[in-house]
Amino acid sequence: DTGVSQDPRHKITKRGQNVTFRCDPISEHNRLYWYRQTLGQGPEFLTYFQNEAQLEKSRLLSDRFSAERPKGSFSTLEIQRTEQGDSAMYLCASSLNHAGETQYFGPGTRLLVL
Amino acid sequence: QQQVKQSPQSLIVQKGGISIINCAYENTAFDYFPWYQQFPGKGPALLIAIRPDVSEKKEGRFTISFNKSAKQFSLHIMDSQPGDSATYFCAANSGYALNFGKGTSLLVTP
Repeated sequence: DTGVSQDPRHKITKRGQNVTFRCDPISEHNRLYWYRQTLGQGPEFLTYFQNEAQLEKSRLLSDRFSAERPKGSFSTLEIQRTEQGDSAMYLCASSLNHAGETQYFGPGTRLLVL
Repeated sequence: QQQVKQSPQSLIVQKGGISIINCAYENTAFDYFPWYQQFPGKGPALLIAIRPDVSEKKEGRFTISFNKSAKQFSLHIMDSQPGDSATYFCAANSGYALNFGKGTSLLVTP
């Protein structure tokens, strides 16, 4: 399968713990995006990379969140000192290197903070 | 604030009927309008997309109608099937971030 993959698919953690999620985009895609989706809502943009450069960050991305894409391939999203409000589906998407190109989504990582 | 407004929130259609979902936007900088289908526990999957230089695009049973002057676009699902039961999201893009509507939960009854 050559689609976007995410790991883990599910994560349960206790409040205050740190968690890290991984996303592997479609191999030839230069752009990689992170979104957050809560129950009954559409995905909300968090941040995006063009190759290894993080070009935009949403106001939703508090200082407890950090994302990296060190070699322009896979990306990680880390949440430090998790809070119950962080419980959501974290979605990764990738696209070719053009504005308005189709974004292809992965299956998501479902986070539950107890 | 919600940049893309979607309605209805939920929709029940009989098998073989037409499902219609509507979206409206304000930002005239948006230049790409995709529709995504999402099943429970899965990521959104692109269904069909349109750019503002055309007023309609059809792919199989799915049609997007686009009204640039009214800043509205809609998804029509013809001959709706039980397998179409899912949540549908419209979105709009002006460069990088997709701005999603809140979604429409579609149930197609046998």
